Amino acid sequence: DVKVTQSSRYLVKRTGEKVFLECVQDMDHENMFWYRQDPGLGLRLIYFSYDVKMKEKGDIPEGYSVSREKKERFSLILESASTNQTSMYLCASRGPADTQYFGPGTRLTVL
Amino acid sequence: RKEVEQDPGPFNVPEGATVAFNCTYSNSASQSFFWYRQDCRKEPKLLMSVYSSGNEDGRFTAQLNRASQYISLLIRDSKLSDSATYLCVVPGSNYQLIWGAGTKLIIKP
Repeated sequence: DVKVTQSSRYLVKRTGEKVFLECVQDMDHENMFWYRQDPGLGLRLIYFSYDVKMKEKGDIPEGYSVSREKKERFSLILESASTNQTSMYLCASRGPADTQYFGPGTRLTVL
Repeated sequence: RKEVEQDPGPFNVPEGATVAFNCTYSNSASQSFFWYRQDCRKEPKLLMSVYSSGNEDGRFTAQLNRASQYISLLIRDSKLSDSATYLCVVPGSNYQLIWGAGTKLIIKP
C-alpha cells in the first residue's frame, strides 16, 4: 500500500510566522502535489513537483513556496503566515494512471 | 463555467435506497475520470476510475456520457457507511487533476 505521511495533523501558528509542512511518500513516485481545501471550494492546487528539485506553480501559489530536495519528501513553506491561510493542507503523490494518494492532511490555524 | 461542476447537496437518502449524482466537465478532450470519496475531516481516497463508457464495482456504478460531458455515480442499496463527500475528478495538463467541490451524501437509518 502506498503511504503518504504529513508531519502534523493539527497546527496553530501566529500571523507572520514561517511555517513548514512536510510530506513524505514511500512509493518512489516522481510527482507530488500540495493542495489546500476550504469549505465549498474543493481542492485547490498550490504547487506540484515533477521530480527532485523541480517545481511548478499551481492555481494559488501566492504566499507559499516549496522544496523538493529528495524524491520522497515535498515540503510546503508559508513564508509569513496570514489568517487567510487557515485551511486544511493536503499532500498527494501520483501513482499509476493519474491516481493520486493523499496524506492525512494538516489542519492549520493562523491566529 | 467551472471546469468540473457538482451539485454540493447534501443528498439525504434512507438506508437501502439507490442514489445517483452527476458531475459535468468542460474539457471535451478528457479521456479518464475519477470518483474519490472523502469522509469528514479525512483525506480523499480513490473510489473508482472511469476510462470508457463506465465502470462497476459492487454497489457502485460510474457512467460516462461524452456527448453531454457528464459522469454519474450510482450507489445501490446504500449503507450508513456510504455517508461521505464524493469528489469528481478530471485530469488536466501536466499530471494535474481538476477537482470538483464535491457532493455530500448523508444516509439516514
